[in-house]
Amino acid sequence: DAGVIQSPRHEVTEMGQEVTLRCKPISGHNSLFWYRQTMMRGLELLIYFNNNVPIDDSGMPEDRFSAKMPNASFSTLKIQPSEPRDSAVYFCASSFPYNEQFFGPGTRLTVL
Amino acid sequence: EDQVTQSPEALRLQEGESSSLNCSYTVSGLRGLFWYRQDPGKGPEFLFTLYSAGEEKEKERLKATLTKKESFLHITAPKPEDSATYLCAGLMNSGGYQKVTFGTGTKLQVIP
Repeated sequence: DAGVIQSPRHEVTEMGQEVTLRCKPISGHNSLFWYRQTMMRGLELLIYFNNNVPIDDSGMPEDRFSAKMPNASFSTLKIQPSEPRDSAVYFCASSFPYNEQFFGPGTRLTVL
Repeated sequence: EDQVTQSPEALRLQEGESSSLNCSYTVSGLRGLFWYRQDPGKGPEFLFTLYSAGEEKEKERLKATLTKKESFLHITAPKPEDSATYLCAGLMNSGGYQKVTFGTGTKLQVIP
């Protein structure tokens, strides 16, 4: 298996623009997680899906953030409008329930 | 509130100088404790899962142990390639679904 795939790997955008991050989980995994990592706050869980259904979105910072999982092999995290404070590395991870998570390589987002 | 705390924040070792990293947790109903390694610019890489107090797991120079309050990652005779940030995470059941809480990590530097 290729592991968790994320795209793009790097994204530079201007404040106010829409940003869409994409994730393909490991085939067969039915839990998917979106995290944000910064030096100040470490690794923060944004949202967690189980069988394509959002279970816990309490970590989503505000209404500017939204996530979807239309099928078992694809998820998106959208930020609209983006702000400089959204600059961070965003990770997607997948797992079987109650098992270790496998992380993607991350998307480094810079909002100017 | 479920919490996972890692110490020290940073650790600098000479090559061959053994040491331990600590992960203390206050979570209700711990189902498992994960250890990850993260290299700069990459996603966390899974190392170990520990499920019950007294359990130990080993991989090369690393050994992870678990008690009812904390976990240790012992590094024996480290080499420069062991330099990385080590993250631990507690897995628990929350409302019938899994919840994972990450610590902020220990940044390990091994000097030749």
